Amino acid sequence: NAGVTQTPKFQVLKTGQSMTLQCAQDMNHNSMYWYRQDPGMGLRLIYYSASEGTTDKGEVPNGYNVSRLNKREFSLRLESAAPSQTSVYFCASSSYHGQGYDYTFGSGTRLTVV
Amino acid sequence: GENVEQHPSTLSVQEGDSAVIKCTYSDSASNYFPWYKQELGKRPQLIIDIRSNVGEKKDQRIAVTLNKTAKHFSLHITETQPEDSAVYFCAGPDTGGFKTIFGAGTRLFVKA
Repeated sequence: NAGVTQTPKFQVLKTGQSMTLQCAQDMNHNSMYWYRQDPGMGLRLIYYSASEGTTDKGEVPNGYNVSRLNKREFSLRLESAAPSQTSVYFCASSSYHGQGYDYTFGSGTRLTVV
Repeated sequence: GENVEQHPSTLSVQEGDSAVIKCTYSDSASNYFPWYKQELGKRPQLIIDIRSNVGEKKDQRIAVTLNKTAKHFSLHITETQPEDSAVYFCAGPDTGGFKTIFGAGTRLFVKA
């Protein structure tokens, strides 16, 4: 049982380049999320998908786009990378148990934009 | 929607001492409060949670307490060990949506 798998683990981009971060979960969770975590900071929500076919903006969506490809996969795209997007990106999925959501996070993608 | 505030932002304790991290929330309808631990360079992982029908929950050296009247909940770690050093996040459900609201995190240092 792999849980949440993110690729790549590390990436260096030049300013203006584009890339897509991939995320897949095998836990049959309905909801999926993308967070960024800057050094010494907390988790900031970029986009989320409450269920297959829906996506919504989070706290810091500017400069990003997402695609919920199917129930398993949720990708994050940077169309024109900027140094301010240097961060660690975490994908997560969640299950709802009647009172709240338990999150499972991927191992993260460390992105550097130069 | 929910708002979760976490204190302190940094906590340093001597090995063997206790550590307490407190969070306050705004939405009185919230009824589930998980805690996540993130070791250096690793992903956040759920370590314990509490639901509104109980006031305290324990799991070995960690416990969580909930005061619904005051709208705060706390993580207690007893007999701290160096491997407890990590960032801890409290969380509460966003009752207006399909997501969890995380606190800003507490960086715990346990000095040997």
